[in-house]
Amino acid sequence: QVQLQQSGPGLVKPSQTLSVTCAISGDSVSSKSAAWNWVRQSPSRGLEWLGRTYYRSKWYSDYAVSVKSRITINPDTSKNQFTLQLNSVTPEDTAVYYCARDLEIVGYWFDPWGQGTLVTVSS
Amino acid sequence: DIQMTQSPSSVSASVGDRVTITCRASQGISRWLAWYQQTPGKAPKLLIYAASNLQSGVPSRFSGSGSGTDFTLTISSLQPEDFASYYCQQANSFPFTFGPGTKVDLK
Repeated sequence: QVQLQQSGPGLVKPSQTLSVTCAISGDSVSSKSAAWNWVRQSPSRGLEWLGRTYYRSKWYSDYAVSVKSRITINPDTSKNQFTLQLNSVTPEDTAVYYCARDLEIVGYWFDPWGQGTLVTVSS
Repeated sequence: DIQMTQSPSSVSASVGDRVTITCRASQGISRWLAWYQQTPGKAPKLLIYAASNLQSGVPSRFSGSGSGTDFTLTISSLQPEDFASYYCQQANSFPFTFGPGTKVDLK
C-alpha cells in the first residue's frame, strides 16, 4: 500500500521560498511507471495542479504555466521523497498543499494523496 | 487550458436519495476524467477514473458515465458517509484541471 507523508513549515514570509516534502512508502520515487505531483487548494483558486516529476531513464518535470517561473520539484532518491519549492511567494500562495502520485500508463489521475500541509504566507 | 465546470455547486439530499452531479469540459477530453470525494480537513480521494471505472475499494453505489465534454457522477443511494464535496478532474492534457466542486449536504 502506497502512502505519502508530508512535512514542512506552516508559515512562510512574503518573498521567501516555500518548501514542502513528501516522503514515499510502498513505492519508489524512481519508479518508471509513476509520477509525483503537487496540487494545492485554496478558497479562491480551488484545486490547482502545480507540477510533477518522474524518472524515465532520466529525470523529467512538468510544471503549470501559472507557477513555472517560480517552481522546482526535486526528487531525493536517497530518502525516497520529493520536495516542492516555490520561490518569491505572496499571500496568494496561501493554500493547502498536497502531494499525489499518478500512474502514467494508466492515466493522469491522482492516487494516493498526502495528508496536506497548510502553508500561510504572511509577515 | 481546459476549463472544467460542475453543476450543481451544492445539493441538499437525504440518506437513500439518488444524487447526480454533472461535469463539463471546455473541449473534448474523450474519457480522460476522474472524480474525487473530499471530506473536511482531508485530502481528496479517487472514486472514479477513466470516466466510469470504479477505484478499488469504492462502494458500487458510485458510478460514472460520459465521454467527450459531458460527464456525470451518480450516487445511487446516499449514505451518511457520502456527505462531502465532489470534484472532477480532466486528465487529457497539461495542465491537469479540476472542477470547482459540488457539495452534498444533508437536507
